[in-house]
Amino acid sequence: DVKVTQSSRYLVKRTGEKVFLECVQDMDHENMFWYRQDPGLGLRLIYFSYDVKMKEKGDIPEGYSVSREKKERFSLILESASTNQTSMYLCASTAQGGGRHGYTFGSGTRLTVV
Amino acid sequence: GQNIDQPTEMTATEGAIVQINCTYQTSGFNGLFWYQQHAGEAPTFLSYNVLDGLEEKGRFSSFLSRSKGYSYLLLKELQMKDSASYLCAVRIYNQGGKLIFGQGTELSVKP
Repeated sequence: DVKVTQSSRYLVKRTGEKVFLECVQDMDHENMFWYRQDPGLGLRLIYFSYDVKMKEKGDIPEGYSVSREKKERFSLILESASTNQTSMYLCASTAQGGGRHGYTFGSGTRLTVV
Repeated sequence: GQNIDQPTEMTATEGAIVQINCTYQTSGFNGLFWYQQHAGEAPTFLSYNVLDGLEEKGRFSSFLSRSKGYSYLLLKELQMKDSASYLCAVRIYNQGGKLIFGQGTELSVKP
């Protein structure tokens, strides 16, 4: 069964901490994405990557960075966590061109910043 | 710009039929997806339309009209477990499979 795995389901961090959210896929997908999901705002794209060591800003990149050192792993980094970054974070991947199923999503990480 | 609209909330009765509409204005359309998302869980794939017409899969059907920028998801014989959020998403041509999402429609199925 193909999978996208996010390292934590729930995470509580303090304001100012550096936070790492990890995402690993086992489908040999080229494209990987990080979204945050908030009530009333839907899914908003933070960053995405089409290949190893490359990254593109999404719609709301401020306060975030990413790392893709290996094809299967795409990490989201909150440089200095703030309370307005409390959210559900979803990682997704897809093959080149997208395919008929679009994204495969990870199970999500609910981050609370206190 | 890119814009996808769908109703925020809908309510329906168990056993009934419900239609969730989605309108979009995007450049370089390359397919429309519907996902189902239960509370606290990740979205899961329901359907995909790239050509005009109806795609049927069991109790779920999805329709697309590219000229009108319009799609709907039709759910028949509603069950309580269909209570969830339904996300409409458009894939943009030549952007590596990236999807643009609507805000989602929260469907409540009542007995």
